[in-house]
Amino acid sequence: AQTVTQSQPEMSVQEAETVTLSCTYDTSESDYYLFWYKQPPSRQMILVIRQEAYKQQNATENRFSVNFQKAAKSFSLKISDSQLGDAAMYFCAYRSGAGGTSYGKLTFGQGTILTVHP
Amino acid sequence: DAGVIQSPRHEVTEMGQEVTLRCKPISGHNSLFWYRQTMMRGLELLIYFNNNVPIDDSGMPEDRFSAKMPNASFSTLKIQPSEPRDSAVYFCASSHLTGEQPQHFGDGTRLSIL
Repeated sequence: AQTVTQSQPEMSVQEAETVTLSCTYDTSESDYYLFWYKQPPSRQMILVIRQEAYKQQNATENRFSVNFQKAAKSFSLKISDSQLGDAAMYFCAYRSGAGGTSYGKLTFGQGTILTVHP
Repeated sequence: DAGVIQSPRHEVTEMGQEVTLRCKPISGHNSLFWYRQTMMRGLELLIYFNNNVPIDDSGMPEDRFSAKMPNASFSTLKIQPSEPRDSAVYFCASSHLTGEQPQHFGDGTRLSIL
C-alpha cells in the first residue's frame, strides 16, 4: 500500500517570502500521479498543482512549483511571493496509475498548516 | 460549469437517527469518491465508484455505512444508525476515469451527531 508523509505539521512565512512544504511517499509503482491540494478555512479542497511521475520536468503554476525527485520519492511544494490568501492547510496526495482496485484512489498526507504573516 | 455539489452543507442530528448525504458529480465525470475528514484520522477514502459501480469499499468503517450511485449524476452516503463518532466532514469528489485527471471536490458536509 502506498503511504504519503508530510513531516511538517505547521509552517509559517512572511508575506512576499518563499516557503517550501515537504512531502515524501512510498510506492513500488512506476506509474503514478502526485497532487497538492489547498484547504482554506472555508474547507474547500482546491487543486494547486499536479505532477505526472513519467515527466522529468517539474510542474509549475504561477507562484507554485514543485521539486519532484522520483528516486528519492520526494515531492515538495514551493510557494513564491507568499500572499495572505495562501494561508491554508496543504495536502500532498498520491494517485496510482496502475489498474486494479487502487486505480483512481487518492492517498493523502496528514497535511501542513501554513500561516502567512503580514 | 457547476462543480461537485453536495447537500446538505451542515447536518446536526441526534444519535441513532438515519443520515443521508447527497452528491452530484461534475457532468461527464465517471469516477466518484466519498471521503471523511477528521482531526484524528485526516482524510480517508470511504468508497469509490467507476461508471456507477462500487469498486472499493474497504474504507467504509462499518455496516452502518452504505453508499449508492443509482445513476451517473447522483450518489448518496447513508449512516444508519448514526453515532457521535461519525461526526466529521464528508467530502464527495469526482473525476474522469484516467489517472492523470485530478479529482474535483465538493464543499463537504459537516456532520455533527449529538
